[in-house]
Amino acid sequence: EIVMTQSPATLSVSPGERATLSCRASQSVDRDLVWYQQKPGQAPRLIIYGASTRPTGIPARFSGSGSGTEFSLIISSLQSEDFAVYYCQQYNNWPRTFGPGTKVEF
Amino acid sequence: VQLVESGGGLVKPGGSLRLSCVASGITFNTYSFNWVRQAPGKGLEWVASITNSGSYIYYADLVKGRFTISRDNAKDSLYLQMNSLRVADTAVYYCARDAPILPWFGELTGPIDSWGQGTLVTVSS
Repeated sequence: EIVMTQSPATLSVSPGERATLSCRASQSVDRDLVWYQQKPGQAPRLIIYGASTRPTGIPARFSGSGSGTEFSLIISSLQSEDFAVYYCQQYNNWPRTFGPGTKVEF
Repeated sequence: VQLVESGGGLVKPGGSLRLSCVASGITFNTYSFNWVRQAPGKGLEWVASITNSGSYIYYADLVKGRFTISRDNAKDSLYLQMNSLRVADTAVYYCARDAPILPWFGELTGPIDSWGQGTLVTVSS
């Protein structure tokens, strides 16, 4: 099983600031990595797939990078609606493991 | 795309429950699907996947032998039969669709790109 880890567990930032979230895989997942955003009481929302591709409708302030075992999600200028928990997940192989999440808070 | 789960509820340890997910707005049989769960206040946990024809099925170790994922393409429906339920299975269960971007032995899988709103399963005596 591929183990996903995320850091930090909690990130305290102010609106307008830049946020950098990290995700690491215990073995290479190539670029088969996604980032989800989840707000309280809501289902997750896909914001990055293929390590760096934004789906239609996701703002350009979200960017992803990395390959192999090291990945990053950058939110260039935090908006109030971006405060949420962010999860990475690998889809390179089964089981499709998630990271434990990073909470971005004000 | 709309995914609507049902079938959650309160069940005693050792009991059974069957979750359903009905899809609309898509050609159901061209997509692979998953069940993902989230215990109260915890993170996301992948439970099971089934490819578009149903030929390939995968389970998390924690549910293998107790849960069965299935689909009925004629009814645009996904199911999760859960037996021998444990307190630790208490969670919101999400039905989730794969984006069809990765070839997998003649079928298509990929990252989850759509989620239902979830159904709560509570296992308690």
